Amino acid sequence: DIQLTQSPSFLSASVGDRVIITCRASQAISSYLAWYRQRPGRAPELLIYAASTLQSGVPSRFSGSGSGTEFTLTISSLQPEDFATYYCQQLFTYPFTFGPGTKVDI
Amino acid sequence: QVQLVQSGAEVKKPGASVKVSCQASGYTFSTYLLHWVRQAPGQGLEWMGIINPSGGTTTYAQKFQGRVTMTRDTSTSTVYMELSSLSSEDTAVYYCARKNFVESRNLYYWGQGTLVTVSS
Repeated sequence: DIQLTQSPSFLSASVGDRVIITCRASQAISSYLAWYRQRPGRAPELLIYAASTLQSGVPSRFSGSGSGTEFTLTISSLQPEDFATYYCQQLFTYPFTFGPGTKVDI
Repeated sequence: QVQLVQSGAEVKKPGASVKVSCQASGYTFSTYLLHWVRQAPGQGLEWMGIINPSGGTTTYAQKFQGRVTMTRDTSTSTVYMELSSLSSEDTAVYYCARKNFVESRNLYYWGQGTLVTVSS
């Protein structure tokens, strides 16, 4: 199975901060990576897919980059609703594993 | 609009089985594979497997092989996930999900989640 690691696992930030989360895959996955935001008590929301494609309706402060084994999610200016947990997921090969998550807290 | 509506919360005893349903609407059922993902309390997301509603073929994560069965009923546009030999470690919210476009790879549409509690 492909293992995903995320760093940091936890970060403390303020409204307006620029935040960068990294996801590393144990083997190359081309650009088959998605990013999700999950707020407490809710299902995950798709932010980015194909490593860098912004899902329609998602604010432009979110961006993604990378290919192969290293990927980043950038939030250019953190908003109150962005205090949540972020997950990456590889969709290159089964099982479609998730990263362990990055919790963004105030 | 696309909707995935799941069955209600379940409480099961250790050793029992649970069957969770996910009814799809707003699109052609056979067109999109459906995934199952679970999340234990306070934990991360865990991909369990996938079913092709068109032919019923499935792929399961190794961890659940032998314990999970995913099926579908095309007459009601419903997929099912049955998990057997439950233990307390199976206490989780179970989600069904599918992608946004045929040619993409992601999970965009999600069911509301079904809480399965395993307790004696």
